[in-house]
Amino acid sequence: QVQLQESGPGLVKPSQTLSLTCTVSGGSISSGDYYWSWIRQPPGKGLEWIGYIYYSGSTFYNPSLKSRVTISIDTAKIQFSLRLSSVTAADTAVYFCASSGSGLFDHWGQGTLVTVSS
Amino acid sequence: EIVLTQSPDFQSVTPKEKVTITCRASQSIGSSLHWYHQKPDQSPKLLIKFASQSISGVPSRFSGSGYGTDFTLTINSLEAEDAATYYCHQSSSLPQTFGQGTKVEIK
Repeated sequence: QVQLQESGPGLVKPSQTLSLTCTVSGGSISSGDYYWSWIRQPPGKGLEWIGYIYYSGSTFYNPSLKSRVTISIDTAKIQFSLRLSSVTAADTAVYFCASSGSGLFDHWGQGTLVTVSS
Repeated sequence: EIVLTQSPDFQSVTPKEKVTITCRASQSIGSSLHWYHQKPDQSPKLLIKFASQSISGVPSRFSGSGYGTDFTLTINSLEAEDAATYYCHQSSSLPQTFGQGTKVEIK
């Protein structure tokens, strides 16, 4: 059973870069069975898919965020990471990491709240 | 980008009642439509995959149907523990998108 756990700062200043890491356990991040995604949810609002990375390093980002997003993977550390640059208050959200096999999100982290504020 | 529109946005239901939530896609997505529910302060949980396929461990009162642009999630005989927000999600084309959510409240 794949388990995911997000980690990173809960507070980021405007214009700075948000950085989060997702640690994977119970499954191989480099097996090729899954794509590894980041999804966010502003307080009281719906879900927005940010992008994914495959074990090979190939990525796809949501065009709405593409200019500011970088997702990377470290198979040795069994982690994948999110960097979102030039953040504003609109980037305040709970950030989830998730695995997707066959397109659907079958395993999710518990989520971590990131607040953008000075 | 494929837009998913759910209806209703909110539903207040008594226990044992039947609940129907619809999800309409802005273009055909075949059967690449999945349903989740999310309880407060929890991550979403997969309920139905590929429009109508059941998920191991999910109660049989949850079922899905549809193809193309119109999809339905049905909860037969609602239980108190089903109070949650329900989301549809399409994986047919990138970027993947979610519906806006349907909040189900127990009367």
